Amino acid sequence: GENVEQHPSTLSVQEGDSAVIKCTYSDSASNYFPWYKQELGKRPQLIIDIRSNVGEKKDQRIAVTLNKTAKHFSLHITETQPEDSAVYFCAAFNTDKLIFGTGTRLQVFP
Amino acid sequence: SQTIHQWPATLVQPVGSPLSLECTVEGTSNPNLYWYRQAAGRGLQLLFYSVGIGQISSEVPQNLSASRPQDRQFILSSKKLLLSDSGFYLCAWSVLTDTEAFFGQGTRLTVV
Repeated sequence: GENVEQHPSTLSVQEGDSAVIKCTYSDSASNYFPWYKQELGKRPQLIIDIRSNVGEKKDQRIAVTLNKTAKHFSLHITETQPEDSAVYFCAAFNTDKLIFGTGTRLQVFP
Repeated sequence: SQTIHQWPATLVQPVGSPLSLECTVEGTSNPNLYWYRQAAGRGLQLLFYSVGIGQISSEVPQNLSASRPQDRQFILSSKKLLLSDSGFYLCAWSVLTDTEAFFGQGTRLTVV
């Protein structure tokens, strides 16, 4: 079955710097890759997603890249702000199920 | 519009007691339904998923079970809880194709 690995587990950056979170997946049949943000005690919410027929997608300060050959995808956050502090999860959709990575705790210091 | 309801929000149960968590979705038909568990400071572990009434796939063998008695109802159960069952349980739904999954508010279960 699908396995998603996510790195790093924690990431601390200064406000205004960029943050990058990387994920790899094992099953080449996976075709949809969402990223979720989870604030403390709350439900995860989608922030951006990418499909297997697209290499890059951008939404304001957030971008996601996908390398199908290498089976990895990354989340890029530019000009980070304190409100970006949260846990971020990558995921891969494969045959009716959504498998998540282990999460990255991002802390943005003012 | 579609909404997902999950209850209760918090639950404290003694070891060995039964468990029943319920999740319902409104505003859509034949959704994919999921149960995830999140241990403290950990990732989202897929427990069960369902693509239709009565169709349940288990990802992790353990003392939990799931049922889907109606199209938009998903129930997570246990006959006897273990301390290790403590965690944050999240129900989610998505349409049949590969699209965004929407999460319920979650149930924080503490087994004492």
